[in-house]
Amino acid sequence: GAVVSQHPSWVICKSGTSVKIECRSLDFQATTMFWYRQFPKQSLMLMATSNEGSKATYEQGVEKDKFLINHASLTLSTLTVTSAHPEDSSFYICSARTGFGGNQPQHFGDGTRLSIL
Amino acid sequence: GIQVEQSPPDLILQEGANSTLRCNFSDSVNNLQWFHQNPWGQLINLFYIPSGTKQNGRLSATTVATERYSLLYISSSQTTDSGVYFCAGINQAGTALIFGKGTTLSVSS
Repeated sequence: GAVVSQHPSWVICKSGTSVKIECRSLDFQATTMFWYRQFPKQSLMLMATSNEGSKATYEQGVEKDKFLINHASLTLSTLTVTSAHPEDSSFYICSARTGFGGNQPQHFGDGTRLSIL
Repeated sequence: GIQVEQSPPDLILQEGANSTLRCNFSDSVNNLQWFHQNPWGQLINLFYIPSGTKQNGRLSATTVATERYSLLYISSSQTTDSGVYFCAGINQAGTALIFGKGTTLSVSS
């Protein structure tokens, strides 16, 4: 149980393109979803937290207008990288959790490698 | 200060060896989890271990919450154990999972 599906797994696109990444909880309802970014040989850094039906909460230094997050249902959250540039190239990972409490474990998707040319 | 600190940063083992990875965490972090990130980037939940000891096959973990540390034991390591091992804890607000910098494990045959 607790499967999180992330799509696509790999994206290569030209600078200026907007890219949408989907994160779905397949067998549970995800009250809260998280988006992380990981640069090569570094740790995961939280970008934003989204609760179903609410606006996302962004971490300091993350541009809201650059990284649009939508969590319209209990099983789907999307991250759109708008007008992507080479510096946005990274590994993006989502996770999902049932409930609002911190004692609930997070379950991670397989990640999306984004390469902007 | 550093909320989640892992050691060692890198570990090279021969197949069959045992190893212990350590995670120290500050007062502002709780509900430890251990993850394995394989070479393809997939992040696998290993243990959700706020306290006590758990075992799963060749892996086991112990968290001593009162002393703010957790240990991950890997016995009889295999090449497929290679990758990065992260520990992470929930911040005080319960809103975010704070990751350590990871331990990169390389197991050779």
